[in-house]
Amino acid sequence: QQKVQQSPESLSVPEGGMASLNCTSSDRNFQYFWWYRQHSGEGPKALMSIFSDGDKKEGRFTAHLNKASLHVSLHIRDSQPSDSALYFCAVRASSGSWQLIFGSGTQLTVMP
Amino acid sequence: DTTVKQNPRYKLARVGKPVNLICSQTMNHDTMYWYQKKPNQAPKLLLFYYDKILNREADTFEKFQSSRPNNSFCSLYIGSAGLEYSAMYLCASSGTAEQYFGPGTRLTVL
Repeated sequence: QQKVQQSPESLSVPEGGMASLNCTSSDRNFQYFWWYRQHSGEGPKALMSIFSDGDKKEGRFTAHLNKASLHVSLHIRDSQPSDSALYFCAVRASSGSWQLIFGSGTQLTVMP
Repeated sequence: DTTVKQNPRYKLARVGKPVNLICSQTMNHDTMYWYQKKPNQAPKLLLFYYDKILNREADTFEKFQSSRPNNSFCSLYIGSAGLEYSAMYLCASSGTAEQYFGPGTRLTVL
């Protein structure tokens, strides 16, 4: 079964700094990657998706995909305390449905 | 409105007793999902409804039941709770690619 590996498990950055999160899929037939963010007491919320090689930027968030290595990263510039959350990477299952396979997450803490 | 609601938010259950969790969405999404989330683990898909068709994962097939009486509501039913069922249960819905999640129900089995 397809696996999604995320690293690091936890990350601390100072306010205003850059946070970098990593994700790798084990399935070469993946459809595309998603990044979800979960604040404490809430459900996960989609940040962005990416399926083309290269960068995709949305505000302070930039996702970078390398299809050859099945690796995607998420970079958060000018990190804010409100960015402190659990970040999940998810890959659309190759079965053709909208099912997602999630990684175990990276806990990001932005220190004021 | 992109709200998915879950009830209750917290549930205490005794070993061997049944548990019923409720999820609702008002976005007219055709697909609704149930995930189980344990600490330091990935959310695990338990089952999902596409319209009225239920799809259950092979390794959880006999442990969880579900019903979807209408487009807006979906339940997750555990017939006999065991200690291993203690977890956060997340409901999500989708119309296309993006899944919208509820806040979850934290189930504790004692």
